Amino acid sequence: AQKVTQAQTEISVVEKEDVTLDCVYETRDTTYYLFWYKQPPSGELVFLIRRNSFDEQNEISGRYSWNFQKSTSSFNFTITASQVVDSAVYFCALSEADGNNRLAFGKGNQVVVIP
Amino acid sequence: KAGVTQTPRYLIKTRGQQVTLSCSPISGHRSVSWYQQTPGQGLQFLFEYFSETQRNKGNFPGRFSGRQFSNSRSEMNVSTLELGDSALYLCASSLGGQGGHGYTFGSGTRLTVV
Repeated sequence: AQKVTQAQTEISVVEKEDVTLDCVYETRDTTYYLFWYKQPPSGELVFLIRRNSFDEQNEISGRYSWNFQKSTSSFNFTITASQVVDSAVYFCALSEADGNNRLAFGKGNQVVVIP
Repeated sequence: KAGVTQTPRYLIKTRGQQVTLSCSPISGHRSVSWYQQTPGQGLQFLFEYFSETQRNKGNFPGRFSGRQFSNSRSEMNVSTLELGDSALYLCASSLGGQGGHGYTFGSGTRLTVV
């Protein structure tokens, strides 16, 4: 069974500070996909990043970066130089490549960026 | 290309009634998944449809059902509504592979049961 844990519930930062969101996952599959989604107050889940289990290369995309470590089953996400528009709930999610085609979500992190 | 369209955006229903929600996926996407989001339980998987067939189902009672049409549009139905069914219902569109293609979500339907 797949499980995703996001320990922190609400994180407040002052604008321009960096914020890192932690995500720990559990899965028995060797092939799986990890995602980060952003949910602004409007409710829509906005796709941010996706990694597959065979690609541990960490990358930077604009102000977003992620750190995927299979050894610790973690998939952490960092927003650099936060802006007020980054205020939202961020979800980490896992999909196993077992044909079930479903996402297991963490509880989410409420990020509040204070101007 | 057009995104995922969910209708209606908001609904208020009375306990015991039934409700039907609609989701139109991205053109060319054959998989539609439904999720329920509540403050207490978070985001939970309801079911997934692929090529008009329910392929996966989450742990929800039989009052929750769905279907998919030949044009990939999907509807979900909740019968005999309960107060606890109040939630944001999100649908996700994908090509239909094993998660590798990613999922695009609609804006959701916010259902309030009174």
